[in-house]
Amino acid sequence: EAAVTQSPRSKVAVTGGKVTLSCHQTNNHDYMYWYRQDTGHGLRLIHYSYVADSTEKGDIPDGYKASRPSQENFSLILELASLSQTAVYFCASSDQGDTQYFGPGTRLLVL
Amino acid sequence: GDKVKQSPSALSLQEGTNSALRCNFSIAATTVQWFLQNPRGSLMNLFYLVPGTKENGRLKSAFDSKESYSTLHIRDAQLEDSGTYFCAAEASSGSWQLIFGSGTQLTVMP
Repeated sequence: EAAVTQSPRSKVAVTGGKVTLSCHQTNNHDYMYWYRQDTGHGLRLIHYSYVADSTEKGDIPDGYKASRPSQENFSLILELASLSQTAVYFCASSDQGDTQYFGPGTRLLVL
Repeated sequence: GDKVKQSPSALSLQEGTNSALRCNFSIAATTVQWFLQNPRGSLMNLFYLVPGTKENGRLKSAFDSKESYSTLHIRDAQLEDSGTYFCAAEASSGSWQLIFGSGTQLTVMP
């Protein structure tokens, strides 16, 4: 079974502060993704990566950066956190064009 | 407008009954995935579909790319089927990006 872990599982951040969310997968998948979910809504793609040291913009990249230092690790960085970035963030991994496996999510509250 | 539109937005079922969820696409979807988000928030993949049908236990899903829709049928609903069901479409071949619907919140009652 696919294994995607995220840390932290929850975080409270202050407006204007820097936040880093981490994701680790042990599936040997090339593709990794970061999504955000707002209460009562579906997921929206922020950034994704198909190879280490390279990232691509998704549908809503503004205010976020991503880093893929290795095949196993993918980080999401909020340089200047804002109230509107309060959400649940999910990481996922997949083989090329295949089923996506999701991590447990990180609840981020920006105050 | 919504590129992936799910219906209904919410549904209540008696245990043991059947139901169908639907997704309509306003994009040229090439593949579709269905997920269940349980009440604790975890997302579980149910189906990965190219055009055609798949079945897994009490669940059956179909994807018609020409008519731009997908369905998820639940047979003999159980309490543990409760949660939010999401469909997600790959927008164009090779992009590997999924566009999610807003979900159908399903409650199965005893």
